[in-house]
Amino acid sequence: GAVVSQHPSRVICKSGTSVKIECRSLDFQATTMFWYRQFPKQSLMLMATSNEGSKATYEQGVEKDKFLINHASLTLSTLTVTSAHPEDSSFYICSAQDTFLSYEQYFGPGTRLTVT
Amino acid sequence: GQQLNQSPQSMFIQEGEDVSMNCTSSSIFNTWLWYKQDPGEGPVLLIALYKAGELTSNGRLTAQFGITRKDSFLNISASIPSDVGIYFCAGLEGAGGTSYGKLTFGQGTILTVHP
Repeated sequence: GAVVSQHPSRVICKSGTSVKIECRSLDFQATTMFWYRQFPKQSLMLMATSNEGSKATYEQGVEKDKFLINHASLTLSTLTVTSAHPEDSSFYICSAQDTFLSYEQYFGPGTRLTVT
Repeated sequence: GQQLNQSPQSMFIQEGEDVSMNCTSSSIFNTWLWYKQDPGEGPVLLIALYKAGELTSNGRLTAQFGITRKDSFLNISASIPSDVGIYFCAGLEGAGGTSYGKLTFGQGTILTVHP
């Protein structure tokens, strides 16, 4: 149980284009999903928290207009990196939480974004 | 914001040796979690600790929730090559906290196991 998938696993895009990353909870309902960014050999940096049906809450320093988050259902959240630039290249990881059961977070496998 | 101090930052050990890593915090957490991350993958939950003083095992892994609720350790016994990876501790605030539901991560411990 508690499986979270992400798609795509890898994406290469040109500077100025937008990229959408999907995060799905496969066998549970995710009342809350989190989006993280991770640089090589560093810890996970929380970007935003999204609750199903409401606007995401962004961490300080994260541009909400650049990183659009939608959590339209209890099993799907999307992160769209708009007008991507090379400095947006990173490993993006989502996690999902069923707050009716516990506050443990289950992570997706991550998406490697490379902006050329 | 809150920070977790995780140590050591890296470890190089021989197969069969035991490993110990720990996390400390200046703040209290109601839940401690230990994750392992393989290269290019997301973190996988290893052990969750919910009560101060709790000692929990999962196979060769043992973790404890410090009695003060400000620290936790993870031990790996008889290490094997597939134990290689980055281990993260994470703390979760209790209800009423401003960051309830969010995890605060340690900096990670990079484990290398030589056959």
